[in-house]
Amino acid sequence: KAGVTQTPRYLIKTRGQQVTLSCSPISGHRSVSWYQQTPGQGLQFLFEYFSETQRNKGNFPGRFSGRQFSNSRSEMNVSTLELGDSALYLCASSLALGSNEQFFGPGTRLTVL
Amino acid sequence: AQSVTQLGSHVSVSEGALVLLRCNYSSSVPPYLFWYVQYPNQGLQLLLKYTSAATLVKGINGFEAEFKKSETSFHLTKPSAHMSDAAEYFCAVSALGDTGRRALTFGSGTRLQVQP
Repeated sequence: KAGVTQTPRYLIKTRGQQVTLSCSPISGHRSVSWYQQTPGQGLQFLFEYFSETQRNKGNFPGRFSGRQFSNSRSEMNVSTLELGDSALYLCASSLALGSNEQFFGPGTRLTVL
Repeated sequence: AQSVTQLGSHVSVSEGALVLLRCNYSSSVPPYLFWYVQYPNQGLQLLLKYTSAATLVKGINGFEAEFKKSETSFHLTKPSAHMSDAAEYFCAVSALGDTGRRALTFGSGTRLQVQP
């Protein structure tokens, strides 16, 4: 069974631009969560989607948004990029909402110049 | 509210020596606890988890952890370190939040170096 895939793996953007990251969960998994990893703040929870609805949200500004499609694939969007948004963005999938076992993708490395 | 504290951002051991990575948690409700490993340029891989069953949990690659409620600890151990164990290790807690949902809260990570 294929694991969680994330595209693209690397992105370079400039301040003020917007970016969309994509995540394809493990087949059969219906919940997708997103995390931001930075050297300063560590791993922080962004949000969780299940059945195309955001079910849980971390403490991030509204510039960070996401969505989930009927096939459980998810996208994350960051608008008006700031230098501090440079990070590794990790997607994790699980069978059910709030499942105690999440499977992580390799991440998308975003660099904002 | 829940939180995790990992003691020691860097730990160095010799190959064959005992590995001990420390994790203390804070949670107002019974928690689930996890250890993840991250190799360079990769995502996180689940090593083991505690979900209120046996307090001694065995995971992959010879790692194990013991849940000690009285000490609010969940330390990760491995009897004999291997060079391939060099990576960053994250302890995480999952507890029901105000929304009635579970979300993972991670510690700051411990980078394990294994010396030959």
